[in-house]
Amino acid sequence: DAKTTQPTSMDCAEGRAANLPCNHSTISGNEYVYWYRQIHSQGPQYIIHGLKNNETNEMASLIITEDRKSSTLILPHATLRDTAVYYCIVKGSSDMRFGAGTRLTVKP
Amino acid sequence: KAGVTQTPRYLIKTRGQQVTLSCSPISGHRSVSWYQQTPGQGLQFLFEYFSETQRNKGNFPGRFSGRQFSNSRSEMNVSTLELGDSALYLCASSLIGGAWYNEQFFGPGTRLTVL
Repeated sequence: DAKTTQPTSMDCAEGRAANLPCNHSTISGNEYVYWYRQIHSQGPQYIIHGLKNNETNEMASLIITEDRKSSTLILPHATLRDTAVYYCIVKGSSDMRFGAGTRLTVKP
Repeated sequence: KAGVTQTPRYLIKTRGQQVTLSCSPISGHRSVSWYQQTPGQGLQFLFEYFSETQRNKGNFPGRFSGRQFSNSRSEMNVSTLELGDSALYLCASSLIGGAWYNEQFFGPGTRLTVL
């Protein structure tokens, strides 16, 4: 019961923006949306998080819909090193539950 | 600042044995969480420790246990190993843990193979 739904896989051309969607229709008002990614054979890496406002950092942007039932992670200029599994997680006060994630493949 | 370290990185055991994995969190972090990752089940939460107390527990059998020391270092133990316990075991640390917003930093993992 990961509480999020993501596409299994996506492809993106190098240099283009990668837009990764996530549905979290049962999110509670005080639960955050987190994004992590995991590059093969490494531990997951934090990317960004948000509550209800859009967020941007040096790695990515997070767009959360007004009803908070879905969000999109945007990698503005994808590189080959962004190839990884991307996890969208909804978290409140308890533990962090990971879903299956989206396998993003950036192609030259 | 050093990241989360886990030892050993690789481990091979046989069925029925027991194993202890170690995790050193980032300096100043008081919460340590453990996860199991397998190709079939993905990343699954095992348990979280904060100030030497288990605060949250995932849906794993009692063969999986852990503890945290006063310096925040944590160990997890798996007894009576089964073939299905073969996995990458990840440790993550955070400043306070369990809060509404809480960024976790993951270690490289220990890859356990049970023969």
